[in-house]
Amino acid sequence: GAVVSQHPSRVICKSGTSVKIECRSLDFQATTMFWYRQFPKQSLMLMATSNEGSKATYEQGVEKDKFLINHASLTLSTLTVTSAHPEDSSFYICSATRSRGGRETQYFGPGTRLLVL
Amino acid sequence: AQKITQTQPGMFVQEKEAVTLDCTYDTSDPSYGLFWYKQPSSGEMIFLIYQGSYDQQNATEGRYSLNFQKARKSANLVISASQLGDSAMYFCAMRENSGGSNYKLTFGKGTLLTVNP
Repeated sequence: GAVVSQHPSRVICKSGTSVKIECRSLDFQATTMFWYRQFPKQSLMLMATSNEGSKATYEQGVEKDKFLINHASLTLSTLTVTSAHPEDSSFYICSATRSRGGRETQYFGPGTRLLVL
Repeated sequence: AQKITQTQPGMFVQEKEAVTLDCTYDTSDPSYGLFWYKQPSSGEMIFLIYQGSYDQQNATEGRYSLNFQKARKSANLVISASQLGDSAMYFCAMRENSGGSNYKLTFGKGTLLTVNP
C-alpha cells in the first residue's frame, strides 16, 4: 500500500492564485521530505529539501518566495505555489525517507498535476 | 557533468524476454547508493531496487536485478521475463553521502521501456 500520500492529485487554477500541495508520510515519521518537479517526458528535478522544524533548503535556481515549503510535523510537508503562472504548470512529486534496518529508502507520493490557466 | 547517465531514451523488448537498462554514474564519494524507480503513465514513482556502494553482492528483488560494476561505475537494471505491465519509464538515481543531506537523490533522464506482446 501507499506509504506517502499527496493531495490534491490534480488541480487547475487561474493565473495569479496560490495553490497548496500536501505531502504526508502515512505510517512513518520523516524528518526529511523532498519536493520534485517534472515536466512532460523529462526527469525529476529536485526543487527543495524540506526539514521538519527548520527552513527548507532550496536548489539553485528555485525561487524561495515562489515555492513556499512548510514542514510542520514529522508526517506532513506542504508546498505552496504562490501567484501561479502558466509556466508553473507541471507535475509535482514529493518523497519521504524511511529508515529501516540501517537502510533508507525514498518513497514517493503519487504526484500532483498542476495546470495554471 | 551529469552524475547519472542513462544512454537509452527508449527500449523495446518482447514479452517474456529479459532486458537490460543501462545506467552509469559519476561520484567521488566513497559511500553512495543507487536506486531504480519505475514510473508508469499514471506518474507515480515506484521503488524497484537499491544497491549500496559497499554491498558485496548484486541486489535482487524478484524479477529485478542490478548488475553493479563498481570499477566501471555502472548499475544496470536487468528485468527478467518481461511482462506487458513493465512498460513504463525507468529512472536510475544516486544518493551521495556528502554535503549534509544524506538522502538527496539525483536522477538520470530515464529510459522508456515498451514491452511488445
